[in-house]
Amino acid sequence: DGGITQSPKYLFRKEGQNVTLSCEQNLNHDAMYWYRQDPGQGLRLIYYSQIVNDFQKGDIAEGYSVSREKKESFPLTVTSAQKNPTAFYLCASSISTNSPLHFGNGTRLTVT
Amino acid sequence: SQQGEEDPQALSIQEGENATMNCSYKTSINNLQWYRQNSGRGLVHLILIRSNEREKHSGRLRVTLDTSKKSSSLLITASRAADTASYFCAHYNNNDMRFGAGTRLTVKP
Repeated sequence: DGGITQSPKYLFRKEGQNVTLSCEQNLNHDAMYWYRQDPGQGLRLIYYSQIVNDFQKGDIAEGYSVSREKKESFPLTVTSAQKNPTAFYLCASSISTNSPLHFGNGTRLTVT
Repeated sequence: SQQGEEDPQALSIQEGENATMNCSYKTSINNLQWYRQNSGRGLVHLILIRSNEREKHSGRLRVTLDTSKKSSSLLITASRAADTASYFCAHYNNNDMRFGAGTRLTVKP
């Protein structure tokens, strides 16, 4: 079955450490997205990528970095520069602009 | 920043009743989409309505779109306890998808 896999489901880190969240898709989708969701809130866009080796900042890119070396993979690194990194992170993909997004089941990151 | 706003923020109804959620947006759109999110999970796409469509149905879901008012509504008929979830409207802004803050729907058995 095709889909998006985010791992791990729960992640705990100490303040000051960088951490990388994994996102892999086997849907052959060109576009991939990272969103952040805080309790009771909507989704805020961190980064998105339309094609391999290209990505753009979203609304809240500060303190985050991404890479898109392969079509299937779009890892997100939460750096120590991110002031409030504890949140629920969602990865998504779409076949093209204006198409529906397919989401992974998220990674809940807790930084203490 | 969010580019869609859902109304109400929260809605609580009895099983069997209809649930209506509204969404407003600010920019011109190609289409508007509705998604559902169960607690602690990813979002699931429900329905897409194109800018030249006024109404669309899918099972117990009915979506309307009024581009002159930049608004959309999602109606869930004959609600079930399993419909309890958060519902989001979303649309593309250039090449990226923007979501509203969502409506939290609780359906009591």
